[in-house]
Amino acid sequence: QSVLTQPPSVSGAPGQRVTISCTGSNSNIGADYAGHWYQQLPGKAPRLLIYADNNRPSGVPDRFSGSKSGTSVSLAITGLQAEDEGDYYCQSYDRSLSGWVFGGGTKLTVL
Amino acid sequence: EVQLLESGGGLVQPGGSLRLSCAASGFTFSSYAMTWVRQAPGKGLEWVSAISGSGGRTYYADSVKGRFTISRDNSKNTLYLQVNSLRAEDTAVYYCATSRDILPGPNLYFYYWGQGTLVTVSS
Repeated sequence: QSVLTQPPSVSGAPGQRVTISCTGSNSNIGADYAGHWYQQLPGKAPRLLIYADNNRPSGVPDRFSGSKSGTSVSLAITGLQAEDEGDYYCQSYDRSLSGWVFGGGTKLTVL
Repeated sequence: EVQLLESGGGLVQPGGSLRLSCAASGFTFSSYAMTWVRQAPGKGLEWVSAISGSGGRTYYADSVKGRFTISRDNSKNTLYLQVNSLRAEDTAVYYCATSRDILPGPNLYFYYWGQGTLVTVSS
């Protein structure tokens, strides 16, 4: 049971917009620690997608965006493409655990 | 181009030990904190351990504290994870990842990842 809660799955048709939520608490995201997002395509290593709530590393398309509100962070993907299908993880720091934590992951299916 | 290449995984009996390595290239290794993250088969990501750029500060998840030891040799651009007293629940792909800071602060994130090395703990 992760301290960061993500929906197990989301889906959308090509071209649509989907959002993935990541809900924490006042011990992590709500304590003003940054949220980060990773994409893991089937059989591949994770890849940084969003850092510090809403920043994209170079090479990440602007179809991916992040936001933060209260104890949650969210990842939005617009113009959904078949190659976006995979698992998405949020990550932050938890002061009660004194360590870095991941959400349980969300499987994105492109219909 | 940043490259991280893990090695040292394999099949080990419960209670056994392994030393995982991560060879880094394409960046100034000693300038960045490094991290190990693992993923059990079919499961999510779990942060395991982190180390500062100098190697002077180390951090561990409660699940591995006292059994795993992270270290680095900046002269060899290599990160290590000594894993002892292995349990079945330690079976996972172990990834090394680099940050963009020299110290693993609370807002640490994992910028580049290796391809991982599989550790299987079974009798």
